[in-house]
Formats: sequence, structure tokens, C-alpha cells
Amino acid sequence: RKEVEQDPGPFNVPEGATVAFNCTYSNSASQSFFWYRQDCRKEPKLLMSVYSSGNEDGRFTAQLNRASQYISLLIRDSKLSDSATYLCVVNSGAGSYQLTFGKGTKLSVIP
Amino acid sequence: DAGITQSPRHKVTETGTPVTLRCHQTENHRYMYWYRQDPGHGLRLIHYSYGVKDTDKGEVSDGYSVSRSKTEDFLLTLESATSSQTSVYFCAISESTYTDTQYFGPGTRLTVL
Repeated sequence: RKEVEQDPGPFNVPEGATVAFNCTYSNSASQSFFWYRQDCRKEPKLLMSVYSSGNEDGRFTAQLNRASQYISLLIRDSKLSDSATYLCVVNSGAGSYQLTFGKGTKLSVIP
Repeated sequence: DAGITQSPRHKVTETGTPVTLRCHQTENHRYMYWYRQDPGHGLRLIHYSYGVKDTDKGEVSDGYSVSRSKTEDFLLTLESATSSQTSVYFCAISESTYTDTQYFGPGTRLTVL
């Protein structure tokens, strides 16, 4: 049973491009949603939390659609430094300590 | 960056030997977690702790045990390592509940021959 699904990529985009990642989750009781970034052979780091109203942080915009159980991440004006794997993360339901991680989507930004 | 260290950072061991990985935090966060990450899988929770001496099992707990005798330290033990436990192990911490961000340590690469 795949609880959090992501397109594995890789997404190869030129600098300056806009790229969008999608994620679906199966647990309708999930309450918290995140995007993490993981560089090669490094630990995951929080990129942004995802709120029902959508949220933006500079070039990054996250959206949540609870009805469709769908999360998205949009990166505008891609930089070489954006190259990484992006992990969609969902908590396992109300009162749960557990986070469920997607397998990640790999992004390569090309000069 | 959150003050989380893991030791050792790399370890090669043989099947059947016991192995203990240590996670140390300086943030005084209540919650600590152990994950493993393998190709083709997302991060998977092994065990977690919600306070000193309070631990519980995660998704892939078989073959692992944990202990937390102090707020700052969370130990993961493989009683008898197997090749299937070759993986990258990450420790994470969070301040309060599931709605809070989890911060990850740098990871331990474990190879079981």
C-alpha cells in the first residue's frame, strides 16, 4: 500500500525554468504536510510546511487539496542550487507521531 | 542547523554482530526518531521516543531495539546484524507533536557483510 506517491523523475530542467512536483496521499485523516529537500548523501531538510490556504516562500509555492488528497510544489526561476531530491511528507493522522515519506522526486537544474 | 549528531558516521560490520548507533541532541527536544533510508523506499520509521524511557515501535521495528535514558541521547541497537539491515540510518528530533517540524541528523551509513 503506497501511502505517499510521487513521480520519481528525474526532472531535468534548464536554469530559469519553472517546475512543478505533485504528490498524492492515501490517508484522509492526515493533518500535517511538508516538503523536504534532500541533497545527495545528506540528511533531509525542511523546505516548507504546506497549509490548506497554500503558502509561498520566495520562489517556492506549495498547495494542498484535501478533497483530492493532493499536494504540489512549484519552483520558479530554477537555480543550479535547487538540484536535489524533493520529499513529500505527510503525517499519519490525527494524534499520530509518525510521518510518512514519499520516495522523492529528483530535480536536476542544468546550466 | 539543529544540534544533532550521530555516531558513528560510517560502520562496516559482520553478520551476527551487535551494533549500537547513537543520536545526541543539544536542543532539549522531547521527541526523537530513528529512520532508515534505502533505495526504492522512502524514509521508514524504526522506533521513536516521546520522552525519557518512553519509546514505541515504528513501521520497521523488527530486529531493532532502542533506549533513551537521557533527554539528549537516543540509542538504536541491532542485536544481531543482518545484511538486510545495511542502510543509511537517520535520527530526527521534534520539539512537540506530530505537527512540529522534524530535524534530521547527518546520518550513519551501516554496511553489514
